[in-house]
Amino acid sequence: AQSVAQPEDQVNVAEGNPLTVKCTYSVSGNPYLFWYVQYPNRGLQFLLKYITGDNLVKGSYGFEAEFNKSQTSFHLKKPSALVSDSALYFCAVRDPGSSYKLIFGSGTRLLVRP
Amino acid sequence: KAGVTQTPRYLIKTRGQQVTLSCSPISGHRSVSWYQQTPGQGLQFLFEYFSETQRNKGNFPGRFSGRQFSNSRSEMNVSTLELGDSALYLCASSIQGMGADTQYFGPGTRLTVL
Repeated sequence: AQSVAQPEDQVNVAEGNPLTVKCTYSVSGNPYLFWYVQYPNRGLQFLLKYITGDNLVKGSYGFEAEFNKSQTSFHLKKPSALVSDSALYFCAVRDPGSSYKLIFGSGTRLLVRP
Repeated sequence: KAGVTQTPRYLIKTRGQQVTLSCSPISGHRSVSWYQQTPGQGLQFLFEYFSETQRNKGNFPGRFSGRQFSNSRSEMNVSTLELGDSALYLCASSIQGMGADTQYFGPGTRLTVL
């Protein structure tokens, strides 16, 4: 069965420092992987996705994610965090062969302190 | 293009009542998915529609139902509301709803059941 794990409920980082939000997945075959961000009382905003090819994916607002097949991970990164990046981040996976739905992780709250 | 719109944004109902939520997808998108978001259970898939056909359904009781119209607009209905149905209901649209297709989310409908 497909699954996604976000091992950290919360990540704290100082403004200007690099940030990493972790995600691991379990799916048969080669997955499609997504990152979304949610601000309070808002829906989810798409950040980036991995389809195939280059393991480093660049997305919106300066975010990027690194796909690692051997570790089944898809960690979200940003070189320099902003206070405005504070939000809830979700990793999601879709099995390319058998599903029309996204499976979401439990979410990681990112808190960037000034 | 206009984004995904959901109406109403907020709803307050009492136990036993029923409710209908509406979603208008991005123009040209034929797939509409619904998710329930709660603090305890996170994001859970309800169902997905494509060209007026339900292709996938999550693990929810039969009180939860949906439909899609020929213009791709979708509605979901919850009958005999329970306190545990209080949640943020998110609608997402995509072109085909499969593979590497990106889902774009609406702002959600906040349902409170008293």
